[in-house]
Amino acid sequence: AQSVTQLGSHVSVSEGALVLLRCNYSSSVPPYLFWYVQYPNQGLQLLLKYTTGATLVKGINGFEAEFKKSETSFHLTKPSAHMSDAAEYFCALGGGSNYKLTFGKGTLLTVNP
Amino acid sequence: DAGVTQSPTHLIKTRGQHVTLRCSPISGHKSVSWYQQVLGQGPQFIFQYYEKEERGRGNFPDRFSARQFPNYSSELNVNALLLGDSALYLCASSLEEGSNYGYTFGSGTRLTVV
Repeated sequence: AQSVTQLGSHVSVSEGALVLLRCNYSSSVPPYLFWYVQYPNQGLQLLLKYTTGATLVKGINGFEAEFKKSETSFHLTKPSAHMSDAAEYFCALGGGSNYKLTFGKGTLLTVNP
Repeated sequence: DAGVTQSPTHLIKTRGQHVTLRCSPISGHKSVSWYQQVLGQGPQFIFQYYEKEERGRGNFPDRFSARQFPNYSSELNVNALLLGDSALYLCASSLEEGSNYGYTFGSGTRLTVV
């Protein structure tokens, strides 16, 4: 069975500080990994995805994530937080013949001025 | 270009009623999926359709059903509504089947069951 664990339901950072949101996964097939962002009362917006190839993936709004197979991790980072980054972030797992995405429970990011 | 559009945006229903939610995928996208997001949780997979055929079903009761039309739009139907069905229902579309393509999500339909 596939599963996603997001460590920390709430992360708070100061504006300009490093953002690190953690995601670990469990999968019996080569994983496809995604980060989505959700602003209040909105749907999900794709930040970045890893399917195959380069393990460091760059996304929109200055975010990037690194796929580490040995650690079964796909942590999301941004060097300098901006107030507009405040939102909920979801890590999601797909792969193999599985058409569905399995989501983590989400991490709420708060950015303090 | 229009993204994934869902209607209605908000809906209030009474226990025991039936509801139909609608989704139009991005033009050219053949795959549509439905997810349920309960407050404070990540989205849970309900169905995936590709070329009008059901390709996957999540762990939801038979009260939930869906279909995809020749123009690739989709409907999600829920019968005999329960209070626990209150959630944000998200539709997602993809160019092809398979999760490796990633999905583009709509803004969702907020269903409240009273």
